[in-house]
Amino acid sequence: AQKVTQAQTEISVVEKEDVTLDCVYETRDTTYYLFWYKQPPSGELVFLIRRNSFDEQNEISGRYSWNFQKSTSSFNFTITASQVVDSAVYFCAFDYGQNFVFGPGTRLSVLP
Amino acid sequence: DAGVIQSPRHEVTEMGQEVTLRCKPISGHDYLFWYRQTMMRGLELLIYFNNNVPIDDSGMPEDRFSAKMPNASFSTLKIQPSEPRDSAVYFCASRTKTPGIDNEQFFGPGTRLTVL
Repeated sequence: AQKVTQAQTEISVVEKEDVTLDCVYETRDTTYYLFWYKQPPSGELVFLIRRNSFDEQNEISGRYSWNFQKSTSSFNFTITASQVVDSAVYFCAFDYGQNFVFGPGTRLSVLP
Repeated sequence: DAGVIQSPRHEVTEMGQEVTLRCKPISGHDYLFWYRQTMMRGLELLIYFNNNVPIDDSGMPEDRFSAKMPNASFSTLKIQPSEPRDSAVYFCASRTKTPGIDNEQFFGPGTRLTVL
């Protein structure tokens, strides 16, 4: 069965620190898609990035970067020089065509 | 584009009452999803539609829950009768038809339901 694990339930960092959020998935499918979503305190779910299983290129977008490694079934998310506005719950999600599965989320608190 | 629209944003009702949540997907999106979010269970997929047809409703908790999509621009999630354990935030999301191309889901703002 497809499964997404985010082992870190909560993380606290001080502003300007770098932080990495872990995501590990389980699947036997060869074609699938991985996503990260952000849920700030206001409650909406904001799409951050999509990655397909055939594209292992890492991606950087400003202070955000993502590291996809099929060999370890991981799709980790790093925030560089964190800011208070990064405080949110971050969800990793998996789409294998039949269904869309969310991980349990990691609550990130960035302290001033 | 206005994004996914949900109404109401907040609903407070008493146990036993019927509750109807509404969703308007993004125009042109062929898939529509209903999720429930609680502290205990996280984000759960309840049901999803493709071209207005329910594809997978295995996440619907019980017969008290029903969902319809009468046309491409409107869906409802109904709970009858409601119970306190149904209190949660209900999200609607939509996405385009072609997997792999812009297949991320776009979420509405959610409806916070409180059943007293």
